[in-house]
Amino acid sequence: DGGITQSPKYLFRKEGQNVTLSCEQNLNHDAMYWYRQDPGQGLRLIYYSQIVNDFQKGDIAEGYSVSREKKESFPLTVTSAQKNPTAFYLCASSMWSGSLTDTQYFGPGTRLTVL
Amino acid sequence: SQQGEEDPQALSIQEGENATMNCSYKTSINNLQWYRQNSGRGLVHLILIRSNEREKHSGRLRVTLDTSKKSSSLLITASRAADTASYFCATDERNQGAQKLVFGQGTRLTINP
Repeated sequence: DGGITQSPKYLFRKEGQNVTLSCEQNLNHDAMYWYRQDPGQGLRLIYYSQIVNDFQKGDIAEGYSVSREKKESFPLTVTSAQKNPTAFYLCASSMWSGSLTDTQYFGPGTRLTVL
Repeated sequence: SQQGEEDPQALSIQEGENATMNCSYKTSINNLQWYRQNSGRGLVHLILIRSNEREKHSGRLRVTLDTSKKSSSLLITASRAADTASYFCATDERNQGAQKLVFGQGTRLTINP
Protein backbone atom coordinates (compact mmCIF):
# COMPACT_ATOMS: atom_id res chain seq x y z
CA ASP A 1 0.00 0.00 0.00
CA GLY A 2 1.22 3.50 -0.78
CA GLY A 3 1.14 6.06 1.96
CA ILE A 4 2.84 7.89 4.78
CA THR A 5 3.74 6.30 8.07
CA GLN A 6 4.67 8.03 11.29
CA SER A 7 6.11 6.48 14.40
CA PRO A 8 5.62 6.24 17.21
CA LYS A 9 1.91 6.96 17.60
CA TYR A 10 2.43 8.18 21.17
CA LEU A 11 5.66 9.55 22.64
CA PHE A 12 6.48 10.72 26.12
CA ARG A 13 9.45 12.94 26.80
CA LYS A 14 11.05 14.16 29.96
CA GLU A 15 12.00 17.80 30.12
CA GLY A 16 15.48 18.41 28.75
CA GLN A 17 15.43 15.44 26.39
CA ASN A 18 15.61 15.48 22.62
CA VAL A 19 13.24 13.15 20.79
CA THR A 20 12.99 12.20 17.13
CA LEU A 21 9.74 11.57 15.29
CA SER A 22 9.86 9.36 12.24
CA CYS A 23 8.11 10.01 8.92
CA GLU A 24 8.39 7.72 5.89
CA GLN A 25 6.55 7.85 2.56
CA ASN A 26 6.47 5.50 -0.42
CA LEU A 27 4.46 7.80 -2.69
CA ASN A 28 7.59 8.94 -4.55
CA HIS A 29 6.80 12.52 -3.53
CA ASP A 30 9.53 15.11 -3.65
CA ALA A 31 8.11 17.51 -1.05
CA MET A 32 7.62 16.70 2.62
CA TYR A 33 6.32 18.76 5.53
CA TRP A 34 6.05 18.80 9.31
CA TYR A 35 3.14 20.47 11.05
CA ARG A 36 2.23 21.02 14.65
CA GLN A 37 -1.40 20.96 15.81
CA ASP A 38 -2.54 22.15 19.24
CA PRO A 39 -5.98 21.27 20.66
CA GLY A 40 -8.79 22.93 18.75
CA GLN A 41 -6.35 24.65 16.44
CA GLY A 42 -5.32 24.47 12.84
CA LEU A 43 -1.95 23.29 11.56
CA ARG A 44 1.23 25.34 11.81
CA LEU A 45 4.17 24.61 9.53
CA ILE A 46 7.44 23.70 11.25
CA TYR A 47 9.76 22.70 8.39
CA TYR A 48 9.43 21.63 4.79
CA SER A 49 11.68 20.04 2.21
CA GLN A 50 11.35 20.24 -1.56
CA ILE A 51 14.24 17.94 -2.41
CA VAL A 52 16.76 15.62 -0.81
CA ASN A 53 19.46 17.36 1.25
CA ASP A 54 17.53 20.61 1.34
CA PHE A 55 14.92 21.95 3.76
CA GLN A 56 13.45 25.28 4.80
CA LYS A 57 12.09 26.72 8.02
CA GLY A 58 8.37 27.16 8.34
CA ASP A 59 6.51 29.48 10.68
CA ILE A 60 7.52 27.87 13.99
CA ALA A 61 10.93 26.23 13.44
CA GLU A 62 12.53 27.32 16.72
CA GLY A 63 13.36 24.34 18.92
CA TYR A 64 13.03 21.84 16.07
CA SER A 65 15.45 20.32 13.57
CA VAL A 66 15.06 18.08 10.52
CA SER A 67 17.11 16.16 7.99
CA ARG A 68 16.36 14.89 4.49
CA GLU A 69 19.02 12.35 3.59
CA LYS A 70 16.62 10.16 1.63
CA LYS A 71 13.63 11.01 -0.53
CA GLU A 72 11.42 8.69 1.50
CA SER A 73 12.33 9.95 4.96
CA PHE A 74 11.97 13.26 6.79
CA PRO A 75 12.58 12.84 10.55
CA LEU A 76 11.81 15.65 12.98
CA THR A 77 13.80 16.19 16.18
CA VAL A 78 12.14 18.09 18.99
CA THR A 79 14.99 19.56 21.01
CA SER A 80 15.12 20.66 24.61
CA ALA A 81 15.07 24.23 23.30
CA GLN A 82 11.39 23.82 22.39
CA LYS A 83 9.68 25.22 25.45
CA ASN A 84 6.20 23.87 24.88
CA PRO A 85 6.52 20.69 22.82
CA THR A 86 3.35 18.89 23.93
CA ALA A 87 1.26 18.70 20.75
CA PHE A 88 0.09 16.50 17.88
CA TYR A 89 2.67 16.33 15.08
CA LEU A 90 1.67 15.63 11.51
CA CYS A 91 3.90 14.78 8.58
CA ALA A 92 2.73 15.27 5.00
CA SER A 93 4.03 14.92 1.47
CA SER A 94 3.13 16.17 -1.98
CA MET A 95 4.27 16.03 -5.54
CA TRP A 96 6.50 18.91 -6.48
CA SER A 97 5.25 21.03 -9.35
CA GLY A 98 7.04 24.21 -8.42
CA SER A 99 4.61 25.01 -5.63
CA LEU A 100 4.10 23.87 -2.08
CA THR A 101 0.36 24.32 -2.42
CA ASP A 102 -0.48 21.09 -4.19
CA THR A 103 -2.62 18.45 -2.52
CA GLN A 104 -0.91 17.14 0.58
CA TYR A 105 -1.11 13.59 1.90
CA PHE A 106 -0.88 13.20 5.64
CA GLY A 107 0.41 10.54 7.98
CA PRO A 108 -1.57 9.40 11.04
CA GLY A 109 0.32 11.70 13.42
CA THR A 110 2.43 11.39 16.58
CA ARG A 111 1.14 12.69 19.88
CA LEU A 112 4.03 14.00 21.97
CA THR A 113 3.60 14.61 25.68
CA VAL A 114 6.20 16.17 27.93
CA LEU A 115 6.18 14.76 31.44
CA SER B 1 -0.52 36.43 7.73
CA GLN B 2 -3.42 35.36 5.59
CA GLN B 3 -5.41 32.49 6.99
CA GLY B 4 -8.64 30.78 6.13
CA GLU B 5 -11.16 31.14 8.91
CA GLU B 6 -13.91 28.57 9.19
CA ASP B 7 -17.40 29.29 10.42
CA PRO B 8 -19.02 27.96 12.51
CA GLN B 9 -16.38 26.60 14.89
CA ALA B 10 -18.72 23.74 15.79
CA LEU B 11 -21.82 22.32 14.14
CA SER B 12 -24.15 19.57 15.38
CA ILE B 13 -26.92 18.18 13.16
CA GLN B 14 -29.11 15.11 12.80
CA GLU B 15 -28.17 12.30 10.49
CA GLY B 16 -29.64 12.84 7.05
CA GLU B 17 -29.55 16.63 7.25
CA ASN B 18 -27.22 18.77 5.17
CA ALA B 19 -24.17 20.41 6.74
CA THR B 20 -22.71 23.69 5.50
CA MET B 21 -19.36 25.09 6.57
CA ASN B 22 -17.85 28.36 5.45
CA CYS B 23 -14.31 29.60 4.98
CA SER B 24 -13.21 33.21 4.58
CA TYR B 25 -9.77 34.44 3.62
CA LYS B 26 -8.06 37.78 3.33
CA THR B 27 -6.00 38.03 0.13
CA SER B 28 -6.05 36.68 -3.42
CA ILE B 29 -5.57 32.96 -3.85
CA ASN B 30 -4.72 30.53 -6.63
CA ASN B 31 -6.62 27.66 -5.09
CA LEU B 32 -8.47 26.62 -1.96
CA GLN B 33 -8.59 23.12 -0.51
CA TRP B 34 -10.80 21.34 2.01
CA TYR B 35 -9.53 18.58 4.29
CA ARG B 36 -11.20 16.30 6.84
CA GLN B 37 -9.66 15.12 10.10
CA ASN B 38 -11.14 12.36 12.21
CA SER B 39 -10.35 12.64 15.90
CA GLY B 40 -6.70 11.86 16.62
CA ARG B 41 -5.90 11.10 13.00
CA GLY B 42 -4.18 12.76 10.06
CA LEU B 43 -5.90 14.99 7.53
CA VAL B 44 -7.50 13.63 4.40
CA HIS B 45 -7.79 15.74 1.27
CA LEU B 46 -11.38 16.20 0.09
CA ILE B 47 -11.40 18.65 -2.76
CA LEU B 48 -9.38 21.44 -4.42
CA ILE B 49 -11.04 24.35 -6.17
CA ARG B 50 -9.09 26.79 -8.31
CA SER B 51 -9.64 30.52 -8.34
CA ASN B 52 -11.23 30.39 -11.81
CA GLU B 53 -13.80 27.80 -10.69
CA ARG B 54 -17.07 28.64 -8.94
CA GLU B 55 -18.35 25.23 -7.93
CA LYS B 56 -17.08 21.68 -7.68
CA HIS B 57 -18.71 18.40 -6.72
CA SER B 58 -17.38 15.14 -5.36
CA GLY B 59 -19.96 12.58 -4.31
CA ARG B 60 -22.01 14.13 -1.49
CA LEU B 61 -19.65 17.10 -1.27
CA ARG B 62 -20.25 20.42 -2.98
CA VAL B 63 -17.74 23.25 -2.73
CA THR B 64 -18.34 26.79 -3.90
CA LEU B 65 -15.87 29.64 -4.23
CA ASP B 66 -16.70 33.32 -4.41
CA THR B 67 -13.48 35.22 -5.03
CA SER B 68 -15.25 38.59 -4.90
CA LYS B 69 -16.30 37.85 -1.31
CA LYS B 70 -13.13 35.90 -0.55
CA SER B 71 -15.15 32.99 0.77
CA SER B 72 -15.82 29.33 0.15
CA SER B 73 -18.40 26.91 1.44
CA LEU B 74 -18.43 23.15 1.86
CA LEU B 75 -21.80 21.43 1.74
CA ILE B 76 -22.21 17.81 2.82
CA THR B 77 -25.57 16.44 1.74
CA ALA B 78 -27.48 13.61 3.42
CA SER B 79 -25.03 13.49 6.32
CA ARG B 80 -24.00 10.21 7.96
CA ALA B 81 -22.53 9.40 11.35
CA ALA B 82 -19.21 8.69 9.61
CA ASP B 83 -19.05 12.35 8.53
CA THR B 84 -18.38 13.33 12.15
CA ALA B 85 -14.96 15.01 11.96
CA SER B 86 -13.21 18.37 11.83
CA TYR B 87 -13.11 20.10 8.47
CA PHE B 88 -10.35 22.51 7.48
CA CYS B 89 -9.94 24.86 4.59
CA ALA B 90 -6.44 25.63 3.34
CA THR B 91 -5.42 28.56 1.18
CA ASP B 92 -2.18 29.29 -0.61
CA GLU B 93 -0.08 32.13 0.75
CA ARG B 94 3.22 33.56 -0.43
CA ASN B 95 5.68 34.07 2.42
CA GLN B 96 9.37 34.88 1.95
CA GLY B 97 9.29 33.85 -1.68
CA ALA B 98 7.69 30.44 -1.13
CA GLN B 99 4.01 29.80 -1.65
CA LYS B 100 2.64 27.44 0.97
CA LEU B 101 -0.62 26.17 2.38
CA VAL B 102 -2.13 27.92 5.38
CA PHE B 103 -4.79 26.05 7.34
CA GLY B 104 -7.72 27.50 9.24
CA GLN B 105 -8.75 26.42 12.72
CA GLY B 106 -11.45 24.10 11.44
CA THR B 107 -15.14 23.35 11.95
CA ARG B 108 -15.99 20.46 14.27
CA LEU B 109 -18.95 18.63 12.77
CA THR B 110 -21.01 16.19 14.84
CA ILE B 111 -23.67 14.04 13.20
CA ASN B 112 -26.21 12.75 15.70
CA PRO B 113 -27.91 9.40 14.94
